[in-house]
Amino acid sequence: GQQLNQSPQSMFIQEGEDVSMNCTSSSIFNTWLWYKQDPGEGPVLLIALYKAGELTSNGRLTAQFGITRKDSFLNISASIPSDVGIYFCAGQPPLGYTPLVFGKGTRLSVIA
Amino acid sequence: SAVISQKPSRDICQRGTSLTIQCQVDSQVTMMFWYRQQPGQSLTLIATANQGSEATYESGFVIDKFPISRPNLTFSTLTVSNMSPEDSSIYLCSVEDTDPSAGLGYTFGSGTRLTVV
Repeated sequence: GQQLNQSPQSMFIQEGEDVSMNCTSSSIFNTWLWYKQDPGEGPVLLIALYKAGELTSNGRLTAQFGITRKDSFLNISASIPSDVGIYFCAGQPPLGYTPLVFGKGTRLSVIA
Repeated sequence: SAVISQKPSRDICQRGTSLTIQCQVDSQVTMMFWYRQQPGQSLTLIATANQGSEATYESGFVIDKFPISRPNLTFSTLTVSNMSPEDSSIYLCSVEDTDPSAGLGYTFGSGTRLTVV
């Protein structure tokens, strides 16, 4: 089946630093989604990308849908302690309805 | 976007028993999805539930172990049957958001943290 390779697996950064994570696949996707999961909660949608090449921002977050439709990145600028959590990428495959495919997540720790 | 109420939020259960998890959505949705998230892992789709038909299970998941009900367009249940410690996970329901103002995405419930002892 389709798989997403998400990296890095974990990050330890100082407060105020910028963060970058990405997802790649050997298959194309129609939609890329980025989620954040806090402990004890379900994933919350951060950014949704629908077109190849699309660059979208949500506050300090910026994400891009790769031009080849096989990759996406998420950047967080000027990190703050509440950015701590697990970030997941998810892709919606083409060819009719198929469920989301999730990356394995990036665990972000912010040191104040 | 859709708002999902999932309960219970957590439970500790004895092995061999069953637990039913409920998801209520504040709008009508065609498909609801049930995921399992094992400790420290990503989300794995268990099944897709359509109203009025049997759920579609992913490889590795069977109806006898994870029976699903979908009696209407706003509600679904997942039962974890004959539980063992290996079933200890977070179980999440999800729906597809089709509200143009919210953007197309998938909303998740807050999850049910299950511990089997």
